[in-house]
Amino acid sequence: SQTIHQWPATLVQPVGSPLSLECTVEGTSNPNLYWYRQAAGRGLQLLFYSVGIGQISSEVPQNLSASRPQDRQFILSSKKLLLSDSGFYLCAWSKGTSNQPQHFGDGTRLSIL
Amino acid sequence: GENVEQHPSTLSVQEGDSAVIKCTYSDSASNYFPWYKQELGKGPQLIIDIRSNVGEKKDQRIAVTLNKTAKHFSLHITETQPEDSAVYFCAASPVGAAGNKLTFGGGTRVLVKP
Repeated sequence: SQTIHQWPATLVQPVGSPLSLECTVEGTSNPNLYWYRQAAGRGLQLLFYSVGIGQISSEVPQNLSASRPQDRQFILSSKKLLLSDSGFYLCAWSKGTSNQPQHFGDGTRLSIL
Repeated sequence: GENVEQHPSTLSVQEGDSAVIKCTYSDSASNYFPWYKQELGKGPQLIIDIRSNVGEKKDQRIAVTLNKTAKHFSLHITETQPEDSAVYFCAASPVGAAGNKLTFGGGTRVLVKP
């Protein structure tokens, strides 16, 4: 069966510091991968998605970037965090064929001080 | 692009009663509609999904109905239990959406009172 791992579960960072969140998927090949952000009590905002190694699509302009160095690895980064980057970050995967469900990890709660 | 509206934003029901959440979508090309349940501090979990070639799907106490003509779909939870308390999200995906992107509704916070 497929599993998705995100780490760390919680992170507290000072303003201006760098960020690296990692997500890995097991049990599937060539998945689509996604990064979402969820503000407290709000819905899901798609930040990036990837359909293959090195292929990144950005959905909203922001202070963050994403990379996919391996088939089942997706990384969310920032060079300098802003207060507005606080939130709950979720990674998800889906099969590469059309109309497939996305499966989410348990998220990283990021607090910027 | 696709737009999904979800109602109500909060729903309080007595244990044992039914809960209904409704979503409308704008893109008539959408043909895949999943529902997710998110518990506090966790990622959303897929609970049921429906494709446009069927009008209704059931899984134990959960059912989803789809009306393609009216462009709306609903989640029905019967015999609610306290563990059904969570935030529920609907989503829609058009045929051939790049990267299988989903458009999510704004969520419904369900509280089941014992």
